[in-house]
Parts: sequence; C-alpha cells; structure tokens
Amino acid sequence: QKEVEQNSGPLSVPEGAIASLNCTYSDRGSQSFFWYRQYSGKSPELIMFIYSNGDKEDGRFTAQLNKASQYVSLLIRDSQPSDSATYLCAVNVYNYGQNFVFGPGTRLSVLP
Amino acid sequence: SQTIHQWPATLVQPVGSPLSLECTVEGTSNPNLYWYRQAAGRGLQLLFYSVGIGQISSEVPQNLSASRPQDRQFILSSKKLLLSDSGFYLCAWSVMVGQVDYEQYFGPGTRLTVT
Repeated sequence: QKEVEQNSGPLSVPEGAIASLNCTYSDRGSQSFFWYRQYSGKSPELIMFIYSNGDKEDGRFTAQLNKASQYVSLLIRDSQPSDSATYLCAVNVYNYGQNFVFGPGTRLSVLP
Repeated sequence: SQTIHQWPATLVQPVGSPLSLECTVEGTSNPNLYWYRQAAGRGLQLLFYSVGIGQISSEVPQNLSASRPQDRQFILSSKKLLLSDSGFYLCAWSVMVGQVDYEQYFGPGTRLTVT
C-alpha cells in the first residue's frame, strides 16, 4: 500500500515568516515528488516538483527531498496571506501517472 | 500553451439520475488523462486513467464509467447516481517524456451534489 502522509494542520504562521510543510512517503521506489496548492473551492495548482535529493528553489518556494529518510518538504519564505491554502504533497512511484499518490493535504493559514 | 477545460462547473442531480462530465485538453497531443474525485475535506481519489483513445483503466470499482472518444476528450459517466457520488471531480493530464510520466495538471473541476 503506497501511502503519503502529511499533517492536516491547520498550520498558522504570521505574515513574513517561513512556513514549513512536511510530507513522508512509504514506497522507496518513489521517483518524483510534487507540491500542489489548493485554494478553497478550487482545483490543485502545481507549484513545485523535485526529482533529486537536495533542495530546489523557485522564488519564495523551496522544495527539499531526502530519499533516504523518505521525506519531502516545502518551505515558503516571506509568507503572505495569499499563501493561505491547502498544500498537497504527491508522489509518483515508478514514473507512471497512475501511480500518483496524493497526501491528504496540510492547511496553511498566514495571519496578517 | 496547454489548457484543460471541464464542464459543467457545478451540478446538482437527484439520486438515480444519469451523469455526464466532460474534460478536454488543448495544446498537446496524446496526453495521459485522469479522473479524480475529492470528497469534502478528503484527499484525491484516482477513479480512471487513460493512455490513449478507447484505453481506460479503472482504479476503484463503482457505478461510474469513463470513456475517451477522442485524443483530448475524456468523459465521466454514470447511469444512476448515488448520494455517495457527491464530490469535486477533477480531470488532469500529464506530461510524458519518453516512457516517463511527469507532473500532472488539473482542470478547474466540477462540483457535484447528489440530492
């Protein structure tokens, strides 16, 4: 059973702080990792993907992957109220789309 | 650029009525296509995926079916809706590079309420 776990939150951070979102996965065969942002009532929007161990930065977002620990995280620097959303972690095992497994999501609230 | 459309955006249907949701993708060819359902406050559940015209794989046995009559068109159907079919239905397509499937992109979704 492939599983992806996330803290459901809500995670509350003050405006301007760093928000840290975490995700663990069970299948060591997992190849690629994704972070989606989902605003209430809207569809998920891809914001980051990472395939190799280490950090990947894109603007205020940094994805971190540690395959040995089966752990992927998303850091949001200088958090803004507009970052308030649910963040979904997704893992693709064996590089086939039907093996995408989504976590339940972490709700982030950025307080002005 | 690629875009994905879904309609209708919202739908209220009585129990036992039929269902047809449509998804189309523009700006790409031979996409892999997916139907997901997201129940209120829950994660995404993969319902069907398709790697080509007429090729449908079902992940969850239920009263729903899917069809892919054209390369960039994916349809989700039901003959008789159940209350448990209520949810947010999302169509997605994925980028294929060689034999490797990469990121998935979602359409705007259809919110279905079965009454």
